[in-house]
Amino acid sequence: DAGVIQSPRHEVTEMGQEVTLRCKPISGHDYLFWYRQTMMRGLELLIYFNNNVPIDDSGMPEDRFSAKMPNASFSTLKIQPSEPRDSAVYFCASSLNGDGYTFGSGTRLTVV
Amino acid sequence: GIQVEQSPPDLILQEGANSTLRCNFSDSVNNLQWFHQNPWGQLINLFYIPSGTKQNGRLSATTVATERYSLLYISSSQTTDSGVYFCAVGNQAGTALIFGKGTTLSVSS
Repeated sequence: DAGVIQSPRHEVTEMGQEVTLRCKPISGHDYLFWYRQTMMRGLELLIYFNNNVPIDDSGMPEDRFSAKMPNASFSTLKIQPSEPRDSAVYFCASSLNGDGYTFGSGTRLTVV
Repeated sequence: GIQVEQSPPDLILQEGANSTLRCNFSDSVNNLQWFHQNPWGQLINLFYIPSGTKQNGRLSATTVATERYSLLYISSSQTTDSGVYFCAVGNQAGTALIFGKGTTLSVSS
């Protein structure tokens, strides 16, 4: 398996623009997680899915953030409109039964 | 929610030295994992270890769930071991991991 695939690797956008981050989990994994990493706050859980169903989105910072998982092989995290404070590295991870997580390489988002 | 504390926050070693990293958590857990974030930012899963002891090459980990701590041992450290080591825990079935702030390890030759 190619592991967890995230795209794009880097994204630079202007404040107010819509940003969409994408994730392809490992085939057969039933959990998918979105985390955000910043120097100030470390690794924070944003939202996670089990069998494509959102289970806990309490970590989503505000209504500007939304996430979907239309099928077992694809998830998106969308920020609309983006703000400079959204600048961070966004990681997607997947696991089987909630056990050992495999992380993607992350998307480094810069909002100017 | 559950609290995760890692120590030390920073560690500087010479190549070949051994080290022990500690993770304390505030509640019982049913999921505990150790990760290494390399200098390029990639997060690598080292161990899934909610209890007991595991070894993988020069690395080993022990979790004493009843006393709410886990230890990560690195023996004969190499420069490639540099990076940040994270402990992450979950305390309910089906919940996601909560990460500690990490231990930053620097190994020099």
